[in-house]
Amino acid sequence: DQQVKQNSPSLSVQEGRISILNCDYTNSMFDYFLWYKKYPAEGPTFLISISSIKDKNEDGRFTVFLNKSAKHLSLHIVPSQPGDSAVYFCAASSARQLTFGSGTQLTVLP
Amino acid sequence: DADVTQTPRNRITKTGKRIMLECSQTKGHDRMYWYRQDPGLGLRLIYYSFDVKDINKGEISDGYSVSRQAQAKFSLSLESAIPNQTALYFCATSDLTVGYTFGSGTRLTVV
Repeated sequence: DQQVKQNSPSLSVQEGRISILNCDYTNSMFDYFLWYKKYPAEGPTFLISISSIKDKNEDGRFTVFLNKSAKHLSLHIVPSQPGDSAVYFCAASSARQLTFGSGTQLTVLP
Repeated sequence: DADVTQTPRNRITKTGKRIMLECSQTKGHDRMYWYRQDPGLGLRLIYYSFDVKDINKGEISDGYSVSRQAQAKFSLSLESAIPNQTALYFCATSDLTVGYTFGSGTRLTVV
């Protein structure tokens, strides 16, 4: 049973608009949540994280929101740029081990 | 030089063959991991090691073995490769903080 779920395999957004990527989890013991970005032929790279004691973390164009009661987090990218086109993985940490979601392919259309 | 280097980048092997994937890191971290990526399944943990003398099975360790030769080196072996082990394999390293640094991956095809 997947503990971290990304239910949207793909998302297309116009350049300049907001991209919202969603992630749900089931394990209440997760203490950190992270987003990774992956380009073809490269490994995943860390994008942004949030502690379970917070509900929002912002870094430039990227903001992660955490709703603990709903066991849901989201990544907002504003404004979206063509270079943001990649696969985005949600990950959750427990005892310093990461569990990953299945990923969402974001395509930003020029 | 990359922080995490995986070799080979691509490999095609036959069913039943033994194959080793190698990983080395220059971050000086104690913790190292092997993941595989399959379409629609994301990244799944195969094995992890918190130091040279500590090896642990992950979610999908069957059919795989690992060796931690040094703090900087962590290799993954498939003793007898089978077609459903065709996947993209990633090595990663971390320190006591949460973020991982990944290698560029090894694309393995078992025919």
